[in-house]
Amino acid sequence: DTAVSQTPKYLVTQMGNDKSIKCEQNLGHDTMYWYKQDSKKFLKIMFSYNNKELIINETVPNRFSPKSPDKAHLNLHINSLELGDSAVYFCASSQGHGNQPQHFGDGTRLSIL
Amino acid sequence: DQQVKQNSPSLSVQEGRISILNCDYTNSMFDYFLWYKKYPAEGPTFLISISSIKDKNEDGRFTVFLNKSAKHLSLHIVPSQPGDSAVYFCAASESFGNEKLTFGTGTRLTIIP
Repeated sequence: DTAVSQTPKYLVTQMGNDKSIKCEQNLGHDTMYWYKQDSKKFLKIMFSYNNKELIINETVPNRFSPKSPDKAHLNLHINSLELGDSAVYFCASSQGHGNQPQHFGDGTRLSIL
Repeated sequence: DQQVKQNSPSLSVQEGRISILNCDYTNSMFDYFLWYKKYPAEGPTFLISISSIKDKNEDGRFTVFLNKSAKHLSLHIVPSQPGDSAVYFCAASESFGNEKLTFGTGTRLTIIP
């Protein structure tokens, strides 16, 4: 049973389009995250939500809008896609505060044509 | 400015020998450190962590050492097995901050049979 699942796994689209990536976790965690892994394989935090409240927003363009309908879901909507948005996006979750590891989904590879 | 650094992009080790992966950090506020393992087309998988109140944590074949004065940590895998071939990411966070993980750029470990 997948703990953190993301859909779709691959997303190929044209510049200027709007797309969404969905993430769900069945671990009962209260905090969820989005990370971006760029072409240099560098994993960088974008957003985090705790109990549906935005906690972290790391200087991400406002074309990116996370939405958390409940604490088990954190979706990422991207408007007006640009070539530089091509990357692998990872969703993660963790429980509570303090020293708890984050658990990651398998990533969504976004390719902009 | 990269606050977590893995200076060896790759490492090859003979099966059965010890693998040592290194990580340095610059932010003295980091007090929780983790190692993740990543296979191609999968998300990072949590391996082992250490809090700054300890200098060593062991879990089976995996041991993490923390040298706070040098701002250095290492992951030891012994004995190394072919299934250990993967990319290993070091990550750090501030326990009572906003929970975000700051990742290194990864080290690709290849175990030679």
